Parts: sequence; structure tokens; C-alpha cells
Amino acid sequence: GESVGLHLPTLSVQEGDNSIINCAYSNSASDYFIWYKQESGKGPQFIIDIRSNMDKRQGQRVTVLLNKTVKHLSLQIAATQPGDSAVYFCAENIDRTGNNRKLIWGLGTSLAVNP
Amino acid sequence: NAGVMQNPRHLVRRRGQEARLRCSPMKGHSHVYWYRQLPEEGLKFMVYLQKENIIDESGMPKERFSAEFPKEGPSILRIQQVVRGDSAAYFCASSPSGTGGVEQYFGPGTRLTVT
Repeated sequence: GESVGLHLPTLSVQEGDNSIINCAYSNSASDYFIWYKQESGKGPQFIIDIRSNMDKRQGQRVTVLLNKTVKHLSLQIAATQPGDSAVYFCAENIDRTGNNRKLIWGLGTSLAVNP
Repeated sequence: NAGVMQNPRHLVRRRGQEARLRCSPMKGHSHVYWYRQLPEEGLKFMVYLQKENIIDESGMPKERFSAEFPKEGPSILRIQQVVRGDSAAYFCASSPSGTGGVEQYFGPGTRLTVT
């Protein structure tokens, strides 16, 4: 769902541990999902995406899991590093026709990696 | 590697003045999106444009805000008679042409401060 001005949830992990960031999306018709990373003072950076016909996708050190039954998305980061410290957002696209590529953004989770 | 470019990076305006924010999409991208972000919040969609067309402006305030993406030149987000509540980071994103992935690539943002 959309941000409503609340303080961001925070996840604190030790360097080297695995991180799991969760996101509940809003629309069961959503067809496409993306995870973005935003460092302080910068624009969001694309991490990984997944389509609704998949339930898992892996990238370099990251895995995205999609559970359409409960409308839940998660991002797993393996061997978390200090450079992973940032705010992570999930976003969804609901237009199956591809004509409207507007993304609906989640609230965001702040990840803090302790050395 | 010319990514999405935005200027100015920082803009200070007094109440009642006009703010013009510019966005040059990545080479080959013909879809542009504008988002607003307040501190500690997620991104709020404002408008989605293709060359010379507004596709979705459902997130734009009804008054004072306008956007364009001309055939030549950057996309412009224009805010007339700014008020303090307009102070925020404004991000532009672009995505490729065609019906491929809808991943959006973001610029560094323009931080607008209204005094």
C-alpha cells in the first residue's frame, strides 16, 4: 500500500548475516513487482523484479519471493554488507495490458547493517 | 553512462514563486514518471508521460502543478505559486519503449525548499 507518513520500519542486522525484508502489496490484480534500494540523498536504485507467474527469482546475493495467496513479497539479501544499508521499497504494477506502467509504492523498510 | 538526469539538484523558492524541475530520461527511453517524496516516506506517484502525451496524471494536485514532455527536450514539472507544503524531493524516472519490462530508472532527484 501507499505510505501514510508513518516512521519507516527498521531492520537491524549484523554484517555477514542474511536479511529478509517483507512487503504486503495492495492489489491482487498486480502483475509485476520490483524492489528498489534508496540510499540517503539519492534516487531509488533497481534491485530485482518478478512477474506474477513466478514465485521466486534470484539475482546476485538477492532473492525475491512472491506469495500471491497472501499478497506478500519478500527480499532476501545474503551475507549482508555495510553497503547494503539503505531504505528498501517494494513497488507493484497493476496494468496487465502494459499501457500504464505506473508503480504503486510500499512504505519502505530501513535496513541498518552493524559492522 | 548517461542515466536519468535531473536539474537543478537543489532549488530554493519563496512562497508564491514558480518552480521548474527538469528531467532528461535515459537514451532510448520514451516513458517518464514524476514522483514526490517527503522525509521518512515512500514515493508518491504524480504523473506518467510519454512524448507529447500525458498518460496518467492521477497523482497530480488539481491546481498549481503541471507537467509536460515535449517532442524535443526534457520533461518539465512546473509548480506555480509554491507553498511551504510543496517542499519535498521530486524524482523523475524513465523506462524503455515497447512492451518489455516496466522497470523504472531514477534520477538523483531535485530537492525543493520553499521558504
